[in-house]
Amino acid sequence: QVQLVQSGAEVKKPGASVKASCKASGYSFISYGISWVRQAPGQGLEWMGWISAYNVNTNYAQKLQGRVTMTTDTSTSTAYMEMRSLTSDDTAVYYCVRVDNGEVMDVWGQGTTVTVS
Amino acid sequence: SYELTQPSSVSVSPGQTASITCSGHKLGDKYVSWYQQRPGQSPVLVIYQDRKRPSGIPERFSGSNSGHTATLTISGAQAMDEADYYCQAWDSSTVVFGGGTKLTVL
Repeated sequence: QVQLVQSGAEVKKPGASVKASCKASGYSFISYGISWVRQAPGQGLEWMGWISAYNVNTNYAQKLQGRVTMTTDTSTSTAYMEMRSLTSDDTAVYYCVRVDNGEVMDVWGQGTTVTVS
Repeated sequence: SYELTQPSSVSVSPGQTASITCSGHKLGDKYVSWYQQRPGQSPVLVIYQDRKRPSGIPERFSGSNSGHTATLTISGAQAMDEADYYCQAWDSSTVVFGGGTKLTVL
């Protein structure tokens, strides 16, 4: 079955960087894109950006431009999200989501909790 | 920037119909998806392209979108439907989420 399995929880100090992974299985990795969405404690969903696993085109949310980088490794069907210069406001659960050609975000990973403290 | 507005909470009695709205400028010109998120779980897609249901989603979930408002309707609401619901659309190659609606079934 289609599955996105994310890396484990992270605790980081302010100013540090974090890199989360998202391993896909059960489908052709390069036929879809991956979006990253985060959710701060008790808050709603915030879109961070998107990467095409086919041609590695990216599009980042304006407020995160310059601080986030999304990449893919097609040899392992894994997507990565790196965020730099972390502050306490970046404490959140980070989700990867599969995106099809019709821009439907249909399968979500289990989330990676990042705590900045 | 584009905004989607949802009511913060909606209540429904078991077996009755719940409607959750999502408003945005000319939203009817865009495709809307809806996600259900139970406490401590990842969101789940329940409606995409305004009115389509992914496999495995019960028929009691339906959607519509016209003008400036999209609506998620849950017919015959059950206790298991109690969750947060988020609408979502694409605007200028970016994803926009509504603020979320807490559905209470009581």
